[in-house]
Amino acid sequence: RKEVEQDPGPFNVPEGATVAFNCTYSNSASQSFFWYRQDCRKEPKLLMSVYSSGNEDGRFTAQLNRASQYISLLIRDSKLSDSATYLCVGPPGGYNKLIFGAGTRLAVHP
Amino acid sequence: EAGVTQFPSHSVIEKGQTVTLRCDPISGHDNLYWYRRVMGKEIKFLLHFVKESKQDESGMPNNRFLAERTGGTYSTLKVQPAELEDSGVYFCASKLGLAGGTEAFFGQGTRLTVV
Repeated sequence: RKEVEQDPGPFNVPEGATVAFNCTYSNSASQSFFWYRQDCRKEPKLLMSVYSSGNEDGRFTAQLNRASQYISLLIRDSKLSDSATYLCVGPPGGYNKLIFGAGTRLAVHP
Repeated sequence: EAGVTQFPSHSVIEKGQTVTLRCDPISGHDNLYWYRRVMGKEIKFLLHFVKESKQDESGMPNNRFLAERTGGTYSTLKVQPAELEDSGVYFCASKLGLAGGTEAFFGQGTRLTVV
């Protein structure tokens, strides 16, 4: 089983839609998780960290469910500029490296 | 402030040749990581330096890959001899501390094509 698994996607949504991505992890000792965004042929960039209490940044909300070992990312009021690949990322019980999910592609259309 | 820079941005080499990738981390970042994404697969960890020391090299595919970080500043990743399956995008990332919430900053990557 992969350490971090994501929805396969792609998600094709109209502007203004709400879209949710889920990600599961296998190592129950993992403490920190992140959502990274990667545009085509660009480097991954941190979108937001994920905390147990959940956190919100504008249109983006991230949640961590430790009991079920999954992480979610909710994007409200999708914009064309949100089109990208969203990477679920966690460390395997430590902080010395990042373990990436395969990524979920989001395409927002007019 | 300059971000993580990688050189070259693209490299096309023949099977059996040698290629050296370079990464300049953000100044002051002791932690430097190499990652690789091969076509259709997820980004995978290769190794981690803390200053000039290899902290974790568990992700290095085989002994054809050699990473160095002399002086604890920039790092090089040499592939010798290159094989077709080495093709992919090689990312470097740097991080200030090891705390879980510390952000890792990525370079734009080197796209390696072995033909």
